[in-house]
Amino acid sequence: DTEVTQTPKHLVMGMTNKKSLKCEQHMGHRAMYWYKQKAKKPPELMFVYSYEKLSINESVPSRFSPECPNSSLLNLHLHALQPEDSALYLCASSQFSGSAYNEQFFGPGTRLTVL
Amino acid sequence: AQSVSQHNHHVILSEAASLELGCNYSYGGTVNLFWYVQYPGQHLQLLLKYFSGDPLVKGIKGFEAEFIKSKFSFNLRKPSVQWSDTAEYFCAVNGYSTLTFGKGTMLLVSP
Repeated sequence: DTEVTQTPKHLVMGMTNKKSLKCEQHMGHRAMYWYKQKAKKPPELMFVYSYEKLSINESVPSRFSPECPNSSLLNLHLHALQPEDSALYLCASSQFSGSAYNEQFFGPGTRLTVL
Repeated sequence: AQSVSQHNHHVILSEAASLELGCNYSYGGTVNLFWYVQYPGQHLQLLLKYFSGDPLVKGIKGFEAEFIKSKFSFNLRKPSVQWSDTAEYFCAVNGYSTLTFGKGTMLLVSP
């Protein structure tokens, strides 16, 4: 299985809602990533988990809260988002982080709209 | 810090034309280089990668790229494009722990 899956595909939420994005991989990868991608822009790194521990937080606002319950799952909890947070949220995984030999496999993304 | 520069933001070609998309990177150490493609409404897919060895790498769908260390470049090429190659193309570099993307090049191939 060389796939990264993400649910839901689409999410519409109000600014007072709490929701979660989910990501799963079964490739035995020990590094997982959250990216944010706005239209016509490249993906921007948000968080990196390595061996289920948060290793990089790219100064992301606290209304985004990542969680890595086990080596196959990665969640992104959302609370009190702003309309400018509307974007495609991509999950990726790789064998491990902290190395140049680090091919990342991307999921299809969750298209988030904040009203 | 590492950075990636893609020369063209938009490229328009006719079918069967040859393609070359420029990519330059900046990083002081060993890097690994990637080209990703994002077809309309689809997720990022890896086209090809360079880790070491032969600087001319071949990827999927007839794409290839050449790593020129002296020029810090990793240009993407395809001899004859098809309408189905219409997509956004991202060059990316991985120096140590994070993947840095270029701003992307939108390729439109007219039939």
